Amino acid sequence: QVQLQESGPGLVKPSETLSLTCTVSGDSISTYYWSWIRQPPGKGLELIGYIYHSGDINYNPSLRGRVTMSIDAPKNQFSLKLTSVTAADTAVYYCVRNTRRPDYWGQGTQVTVSS
Amino acid sequence: EVVMTQSPLSLPVTLGQPASISCTSSQSLVYSDGNIYLNWFQQRPGQSPRRLIYEVSKRDSRVPDRISGSGSGTDFTLKITRVEADDVGVYYCMQGTHWPWTFGQGTRVEIK
Repeated sequence: QVQLQESGPGLVKPSETLSLTCTVSGDSISTYYWSWIRQPPGKGLELIGYIYHSGDINYNPSLRGRVTMSIDAPKNQFSLKLTSVTAADTAVYYCVRNTRRPDYWGQGTQVTVSS
Repeated sequence: EVVMTQSPLSLPVTLGQPASISCTSSQSLVYSDGNIYLNWFQQRPGQSPRRLIYEVSKRDSRVPDRISGSGSGTDFTLKITRVEADDVGVYYCMQGTHWPWTFGQGTRVEIK
């Protein structure tokens, strides 16, 4: 059974960097593409980007160069960094297996940007 | 960016009655490999989204066969033949053909 678990601070100050990690169990991180998707409160879903262990990475242009993703294969984890955050980055952040056809989702982690 | 437009945005349904959600894309979703990367997700209150349908009409395991997807090109439909209480939630379509992948605004299904 594939499981994904997000972890990281729930509160980030404006202008600082949001950092999240997703730990994957039940599957090898080297087998699939992995994505981050977010959902602002009361709103819809937005894809942040995806990563593959070979180095294939793509970020949503809407995030204007603020995003970095990485994979730690020995730990079976992948990570997200989002710099210069504002209140608009307040959302539930999901880590997800696959990219064109997202199938397994983590439970999501709430990140609030506030001083 | 491809815009995904869902209708209706709110869908009150009587238990046991059918429901249908439309999703229209601003460009054809046929990819160069011939596939159409159109997915449907259900998000129950307080839960993560759950994929129901991928590549237009392929049903995920444990999704009942009263839920189906259809469509081609730019017009897609999710149908529920007989709505049950378990079907309450917000439904999203999502395209994975043109980068960046994009989602519809969501359709809220509720029981009358």
